[in-house]
Amino acid sequence: NAGVTQTPKFQVLKTGQSMTLQCAQDMNHNSMYWYRQDPGMGLRLIYYSASEGTTDKGEVPNGYNVSRLNKREFSLRLESAAPSQTSVYFCASSPVSGSEQFFGPGTRLTVL
Amino acid sequence: GQQLNQSPQSMFIQEGEDVSMNCTSSSIFNTWLWYKQDPGEGPVLLIALYKAGELTSNGRLTAQFGITRKDSFLNISASIPSDVGIYFCAGGGSNYKLTFGKGTLLTVNP
Repeated sequence: NAGVTQTPKFQVLKTGQSMTLQCAQDMNHNSMYWYRQDPGMGLRLIYYSASEGTTDKGEVPNGYNVSRLNKREFSLRLESAAPSQTSVYFCASSPVSGSEQFFGPGTRLTVL
Repeated sequence: GQQLNQSPQSMFIQEGEDVSMNCTSSSIFNTWLWYKQDPGEGPVLLIALYKAGELTSNGRLTAQFGITRKDSFLNISASIPSDVGIYFCAGGGSNYKLTFGKGTLLTVNP
């Protein structure tokens, strides 16, 4: 079992460029989440998907979109990247909503 | 929204010492979780607590779910250099989301 995998590991974008961060889990979990982590701010929820076919906004959704492609995959899209979106992005999954979440290794994104 | 107060923010200890950190909230949680994050890695789940008053151990780690459901603590006994990292608490409620503390940075001096 690979657990939660994320691609890419690192990315540098210019302001205004778009990109999609990919996340997949092989644990047959129902719920998936996207967080960003910034110094001094802890982990902040961007979007989540309680189950296949549903997505909802979290604490900081502006500037992002998500797609729950199937039960395994949950992608995060930046349509027009801004320097304020420079951060480390983590994907997580959980078997049951509100229970323990398992995190991927993260994507380190820099927007110039 | 719900907030967690995690303390201390940072700790610097000698190898072999015991460590204690805690989280408190003004809201009730149904689940308390403790994670550790190494530099450049994602958070890794250490202990999960599901019942008020529950005390759970994982090797040298012990965590408790407070009886009021508004707090939790994590103890690490006989610390070693590889305990270095950031420790996060998280509370789970009746919705799909977890609320995270801002972390405790632990440094262990060999």
